Amino acid sequence: QVTLKESGPVLVKPTETLTLTCTVSGFSLSNARMGVSWIRQPPGKALEWLAHIFSNDEKSYSTSLKSRLTISKDTSKSQVVLTMTNMDPVDTATYYCARATVTTGDAFDIWGQGTMVTVSS
Amino acid sequence: QSVLTQPPSVSAAPGQKVTISCSGSSSNIGNNYVSWYQQLPGTAPKLLIYENNKRPSGIPDRFSGSKSGTSATLGITGLQTGDEADYYCGTWDSSLSALAVFGGGTQLTVL
Repeated sequence: QVTLKESGPVLVKPTETLTLTCTVSGFSLSNARMGVSWIRQPPGKALEWLAHIFSNDEKSYSTSLKSRLTISKDTSKSQVVLTMTNMDPVDTATYYCARATVTTGDAFDIWGQGTMVTVSS
Repeated sequence: QSVLTQPPSVSAAPGQKVTISCSGSSSNIGNNYVSWYQQLPGTAPKLLIYENNKRPSGIPDRFSGSKSGTSATLGITGLQTGDEADYYCGTWDSSLSALAVFGGGTQLTVL
């Protein structure tokens, strides 16, 4: 069974750096046909894609947030990590990690449950 | 503002059919597969349609997808109250680098 699970702080202060971890099971992060994205959703708002890491370690970032984001993976730990610097209250959102596979045309076929992050002093 | 354009809301009666549109450009929908996601209240999105018109295992054939040029459409027939959810279209944009993009979401109300 394929699962993804996000973990990280529930509350961060403005200007702090957020670090989120996505732990996957049921597939390998070295699988050439798969990659993992981070996607967020502010309360009551739409999905916003943040970053993606491919099996070959190539990375892609949202144009508007690129300067603040870093995505990385530890294949041996089956983890994908996202860091976002200089957090602001507008970054309050549920953060999801999701798998994209070649077999589904790079659609996000499996999503984590999401982790809610609040930015407040 | 989302890269892909969807109507904010649609509604229909139980048993009826509804369509949700998704409009993009040549750099995203025009040259890439479209996927659709269903997000029930308080839950994570779930893949409904991939590669424009294919359904993952377990998704009923009441859900269908199509694509023409730079637009895509999700169709739902035989509406049920359990279909009330937010629906998002998504694709990749190859204008500068590989970026994933989503629509602004459409809230479906089954009256």
